[in-house]
Amino acid sequence: GQNIDQPTEMTATEGAIVQINCTYQTSGFNGLFWYQQHAGEAPTFLSYNVLDGLEEKGRFSSFLSRSKGYSYLLLKELQMKDSASYLCAVSGLNDMRFGAGTRLTVKP
Amino acid sequence: GAVVSQHPSWVICKSGTSVKIECRSLDFQATTMFWYRQFPKQSLMLMATSNEGSKATYEQGVEKDKFLINHASLTLSTLTVTSAHPEDSSFYICSARDPRERNNEQFFGPGTRLTVL
Repeated sequence: GQNIDQPTEMTATEGAIVQINCTYQTSGFNGLFWYQQHAGEAPTFLSYNVLDGLEEKGRFSSFLSRSKGYSYLLLKELQMKDSASYLCAVSGLNDMRFGAGTRLTVKP
Repeated sequence: GAVVSQHPSWVICKSGTSVKIECRSLDFQATTMFWYRQFPKQSLMLMATSNEGSKATYEQGVEKDKFLINHASLTLSTLTVTSAHPEDSSFYICSARDPRERNNEQFFGPGTRLTVL
């Protein structure tokens, strides 16, 4: 089976940096995704890691350690529009499972 | 990236009626599509994997006779909620993988908000 854990809520200040952690246990691993989801909308793709290390894409970076079953999403220079839920998802051979999501609130 | 559409975007129906939701891959062929359900302030829960030309694979606890899935072509999967009840009210989202993409990214439709009165 799969178990994906991430914090329920986080709050940060505009312009700051925030790190959202995700730990997972899975019987099959084919990559880890981070998605952003605004209320009432579908998730949008942020990042993908399949090998250990850091992937950087603009203000967003994602890190993966397969041996530790651990990933984090790093958001820099936070903007108000970054207030959303961030979903950690693990891809198995044939499907994708999501964590419960971390609701991030960015305050002025 | 690839585009997935869903129709309708929202629907309100009476208890006991059936509702059909369509999921289409617009610029690629998808042999596999996924159906998720999301209740307020909760994450996406995989309901079933829809396979073109064969039966869908349902997750544990999902009633296959209530949530009928048909994947008749490489670009269309449908989810029919039969005899809907208020507890079926939820946000239903489909996704598909684009075989042209090297990673396993799933492309999501915009979702369908179902409200059962």
